[in-house]
Amino acid sequence: DAGITQSPRHKVTETGTPVTLRCHQTENHRYMYWYRQDPGHGLRLIHYSYGVKDTDKGEVSDGYSVSRSKTEDFLLTLESATSSQTSVYFCAIRVGQGAEGYTFGSGTRLTVV
Amino acid sequence: QQQVKQSPQSLIVQKGGISIINCAYENTAFDYFPWYQQFPGKGPALLIAIRPDVSEKKEGRFTISFNKSAKQFSLHIMDSQPGDSATYFCAATTIYGNKLVFGAGTILRVKS
Repeated sequence: DAGITQSPRHKVTETGTPVTLRCHQTENHRYMYWYRQDPGHGLRLIHYSYGVKDTDKGEVSDGYSVSRSKTEDFLLTLESATSSQTSVYFCAIRVGQGAEGYTFGSGTRLTVV
Repeated sequence: QQQVKQSPQSLIVQKGGISIINCAYENTAFDYFPWYQQFPGKGPALLIAIRPDVSEKKEGRFTISFNKSAKQFSLHIMDSQPGDSATYFCAATTIYGNKLVFGAGTILRVKS
């Protein structure tokens, strides 16, 4: 979707293992976001980045870390996956300065067993 | 605490009918209110949005009504079609803000 690639698209992992999800953009947009989507909660912001090595927490950041060493890549890491982190994870970019420019990837479905 | 409250959770409408989804917010700093449409297996996509300086915005069969004093806004889908069956999210932010806050979502099914 609109130059955003999320990988993997699906993953099953065991409780306690580390997991890294990748978001790649083909353009040089400054802002990138990680959301999780759960029934009854909509999409909730985990972390976001406003530049290389510049990141900040969202409303549900506990248990997650992020890194952005290149403009085009934003990584989300679950250091020790738990069943409560079973969810669909969406990456988004913001095109331009305004809020009209949010564009979402196709998501990663993560299952922690 | 959800900053944007959305209702109903699910909605079934006959083809040709009107679908109405409602949202309410608390933060008076919000000044941009988008609606997103999401099909299964896809990410949300911007459908229509409104700023609080107008009370209504229409794009084709989709209309947003906005009530600033009540801090409420709603999406109306006129002449609903089976192809409109999707999950709809309202959201809120400031126009140059860093964070988009979403409602819980409404699953719409249009019966043919």
